[in-house]
Amino acid sequence: QKEVEQDPGPLSVPEGAIVSLNCTYSNSAFQYFMWYRQYSRKGPELLMYTYSSGNKEDGRFTAQVDKSSKYISLFIRDSQPSDSATYLCAMREDYNTDKLIFGTGTRLQVFP
Amino acid sequence: DTGVSQDPRHKITKRGQNVTFRCDPISEHNRLYWYRQTLGQGPEFLTYFQNEAQLEKSRLLSDRFSAERPKGSFSTLEIQRTEQGDSAMYLCASSQTIVYFGPGTRLLVL
Repeated sequence: QKEVEQDPGPLSVPEGAIVSLNCTYSNSAFQYFMWYRQYSRKGPELLMYTYSSGNKEDGRFTAQVDKSSKYISLFIRDSQPSDSATYLCAMREDYNTDKLIFGTGTRLQVFP
Repeated sequence: DTGVSQDPRHKITKRGQNVTFRCDPISEHNRLYWYRQTLGQGPEFLTYFQNEAQLEKSRLLSDRFSAERPKGSFSTLEIQRTEQGDSAMYLCASSQTIVYFGPGTRLLVL
């Protein structure tokens, strides 16, 4: 079993839809949770960064962490065709351990 | 552009050849990482530097792989005697607290 599980998709939604992306994990020591967006043939770009449980909102993006369930989510409101990319969840144990453990990524396609 | 840069962006080589990739981190970042990403997978950690010291290496990093960060600034990743299984995207990242990735070097071993 992988430490971080993520549905690879693809997920195809119409423009304007609310998108929900999720990851589950097994290591209860994970404290920091990130979402990266990766366009084809590019490096990952940081979208959201959260510590421990709770919600964080940034524009159209909301990240949720539920440590009791070992489950994290990224919501995208009013999705746009430019949001079409692969979304990677990543996590790490503590501040001094920068090694990130990634999910496989979910490929999202937003069609006009 | 003050982000992480990598060179070259693409490399095609024949099996058995040696290749070297360079990474220039964000200037004030003292931590530097190398990851490898294959098609349909998330990035996998290879190795990590704090300044010039290599502090951790993954089991994925076989003896054919070596990484250096001689003056605590740029880093190089060398792969000796390349194999077809080495074909992947090699990503460099740097951080002070948040990890930022470069554009990657895409390696194809024929």
